[in-house]
Amino acid sequence: KAGVTQTPRYLIKTRGQQVTLSCSPISGHRSVSWYQQTPGQGLQFLFEYFSETQRNKGNFPGRFSGRQFSNSRSEMNVSTLELGDSALYLCASSLANKGEAFFGQGTRLTVV
Amino acid sequence: AQTVTQSQPEMSVQEAETVTLSCTYDTSESDYYLFWYKQPPSRQMILVIRQEAYKQQNATENRFSVNFQKAAKSFSLKISDSQLGDAAMYFCAYKETSGSRLTFGEGTQLTVNP
Repeated sequence: KAGVTQTPRYLIKTRGQQVTLSCSPISGHRSVSWYQQTPGQGLQFLFEYFSETQRNKGNFPGRFSGRQFSNSRSEMNVSTLELGDSALYLCASSLANKGEAFFGQGTRLTVV
Repeated sequence: AQTVTQSQPEMSVQEAETVTLSCTYDTSESDYYLFWYKQPPSRQMILVIRQEAYKQQNATENRFSVNFQKAAKSFSLKISDSQLGDAAMYFCAYKETSGSRLTFGEGTQLTVNP
């Protein structure tokens, strides 16, 4: 069974640009969550999608948005990039409410 | 809001020895999940062990076991017979029974010395 796949693995963007990150969950998993990981703030929850609906949202500005498609694949978008958006973005999938989340390898975003 | 605290930023252990990583959490819920995740230098988050709050029995996975003290809101991870491959950042995480949102602690960097 394939794991969670995140693309791209690495990205370098310029301040003011926008970026889209993709996450394909484990087959059969309908819940996808996104996290931002930085040395200073640790792991912070961005949002969670279930059956194409945003079910929960963390404390991030509106520049951060996401969506989920009917095949459960999810994308997150960051507009008007700032230097502080440089981070590892992790996607996790899980079987609805049940237990553990499985993570992808992350997308390393660098904003210059 | 739920919070998770890992008070040990760094720990070290000799190969083949035992080490315990600490985690405390705060919640008003009676049922929830707790997890330990491992993040090696590759940055891949790997599930180590899970505990369901309504289960009194401590979870065990091979060399990994937990000491779950619900009243004290404590959830420590014991690694027995430590191996070089256990070196990583370890995160304690909390999840409510509804939804998939995880709340993570700050992490503990574990070094295994040969």
